[in-house]
Amino acid sequence: GAGVSQTPSNKVTEKGKYVELRCDPISGHTALYWYRQSLGQGPEFLIYFQGTGAADDSGLPNDRFFAVRPEGSVSTLKIQRTERGDSAVYLCASSLTHRGDTQYFGPGTRLTVL
Amino acid sequence: AQKVTQAQTEISVVEKEDVTLDCVYETRDTTYYLFWYKQPPSGELVFLIRRNSFDEQNEISGRYSWNFQKSTSSFNFTITASQVVDSAVYFCALGAPSNTGNQFYFGTGTSLTVIP
Repeated sequence: GAGVSQTPSNKVTEKGKYVELRCDPISGHTALYWYRQSLGQGPEFLIYFQGTGAADDSGLPNDRFFAVRPEGSVSTLKIQRTERGDSAVYLCASSLTHRGDTQYFGPGTRLTVL
Repeated sequence: AQKVTQAQTEISVVEKEDVTLDCVYETRDTTYYLFWYKQPPSGELVFLIRRNSFDEQNEISGRYSWNFQKSTSSFNFTITASQVVDSAVYFCALGAPSNTGNQFYFGTGTSLTVIP
């Protein structure tokens, strides 16, 4: 079956612009996660969805970051007024449920803010 | 607080050597899960293994084996007879489910280079 997919694979934008990153989880997975990975670091948690609602958004760095999952499947991570420090690989993962299940990761979106 | 430490930043071995990647974790939860992921140069995180805190049995899968010791809060990963295709960054992760979520806490990774 299909794994987690993310689009675009690469995104280059200018400082101050708005970007949207999309994640399509594994079919049937109710839990969806966003992480951010900087060079030489492990992934850092941003936000977690159980169904349509954001159950935990404690990892979002500030109010420029927002994510939605309106129908409980596809999710979009939105970043307003991008800054150079937002440059990173944004990873999406999904799991069957949230109780300790394995998270399966997508290939990521590499965001570069010039 | 939840934390994962991978003290080895980079390791190089010659093909066919055995190599052990260390992982030490911190948590106050009694129920938790430990994972290893492989991140090859292509960038996608590949799941390798999941263990829960109540199962300390070591596990072997082909050339891979894992040693889970709660007494030392360690979950080490050994590759036997390493191959060039094993070259990647390996991440250890801790999952401590709560009522609100299941975020993973990742270590900083160990970059393994297998020299032919």
